[in-house]
Parts: sequence; structure tokens; C-alpha cells
Amino acid sequence: DAGVTQSPTHLIKTRGQQVTLRCSPKSGHDTVSWYQQALGQGPQFIFQYYEEEERQRGNFPDRFSGHQFPNYSSELNVNALLLGDSALYLCASSLDGYEQYFGPGTRLTVT
Amino acid sequence: KQEVTQIPAALSVPEGENLVLNCSFTDSAIYNLQWFRQDPGKGLTSLLLIQSSQREQTSGRLNASLDKSSGRSTLYIAASQPGDSATYLCAVPMEYGNKLVFGAGTILRVKS
Repeated sequence: DAGVTQSPTHLIKTRGQQVTLRCSPKSGHDTVSWYQQALGQGPQFIFQYYEEEERQRGNFPDRFSGHQFPNYSSELNVNALLLGDSALYLCASSLDGYEQYFGPGTRLTVT
Repeated sequence: KQEVTQIPAALSVPEGENLVLNCSFTDSAIYNLQWFRQDPGKGLTSLLLIQSSQREQTSGRLNASLDKSSGRSTLYIAASQPGDSATYLCAVPMEYGNKLVFGAGTILRVKS
């Protein structure tokens, strides 16, 4: 049974560019949450998707957007990248929000 | 607003020691509490989940306790090993299905 998978593992972007990160949830899970983790800090909640709709949103600007597909996989899009967007982006899946299982993360570096 | 604090921020112990990591939260109206392990640059591995109605959970050498009324949880690691070296994070959701609010973590180093 595959766990939560994320792609890509690493990527480097330039300020002002746009990026798309992808997440496939654990089999049987229907809810996907995205978190941003800066170096030395705990993860910060970005948003959560359930039944293809954004159910909750954290304190992140509109430059951060997402999508959930009918197969429950999800994308995180970040526009107009800033240096401060450099972080580890974590995807977590759960069955209707119960115990969350995390993927390996995508390391984004903005130069 | 829920705030989660973890003490100590870092801990270095010799192999074989028993140790306790602390987590406190400001709002006791939590649904459950999760402890995670994170290796450098990696994702989070769930260690233990304690329901709000439970007092403790055990998995192998790990034991987590929860005291909702005082807003505290502890993670006890018995007979520590170098392989236990990692960052340990606690997190709470305010409601069922809600976002997780994390502490900043405790960086543990177990010396051989």
C-alpha cells in the first residue's frame, strides 16, 4: 500500500516565477492538506481540500492556490515567487480529516 | 488562537538514557494530539496519536501522555538509541478534520 507521494523532490525557481507541486494521497484517503515548513520551524497550514473544494485555509496570500482532482490527488500552485517562499512543502492525507499521514515533501528553493 | 510550545528546543543525551520531551498547548479544546518524528530534510512520520478522551498511548519504547486540563503532553523515550536522533514535533487539531497546529519541535541527538 503506497503512502503519500509528492513530486518533484527538489526544485529551484527564480523570483517571480510560478511553481506547481503535486501530491497523491494514501490509498483510501479523501482529504489532502498542504503545509509549508521553513528551516527550523514547525509546519504551517496552507489549506485543505475535501471533495475537490477548499475546506479550510491558513494565513497565506492568494498567490498560493490549489486544486483537488476526482481521484483525490492535489496540486499546490504558487505564483510570483518570493525568496521567502523557499521552504519544504509537505502534503498530508487523511480520511475526512482524521489522523494525517505526511509525504516526503518537496524542497523549493527560490533564487 | 491555539499556540503549541515544545521544551526543550534541543536535547543531547548519551545512548541508553530515558528521556522526556514536553509539549504544551494554550487551548484545551483539542480533538486529539499527534507526535511526529522528522529526519533532516524529510517528511513527518506519525509516532503516536492520543484521542482527547485518552490519558496515554504506547508504541514500543515510546509512551505519550496527555493532560487536557493542564494543556500538556509528554513523549517518553526509553533506552534511547543513536537511531532515535531526529526532530520530534507535536501537533493538535482544534476540531475533527481541522488543520494541525504544530510546535517548533525538539531536536534530539543521542550520542553513542
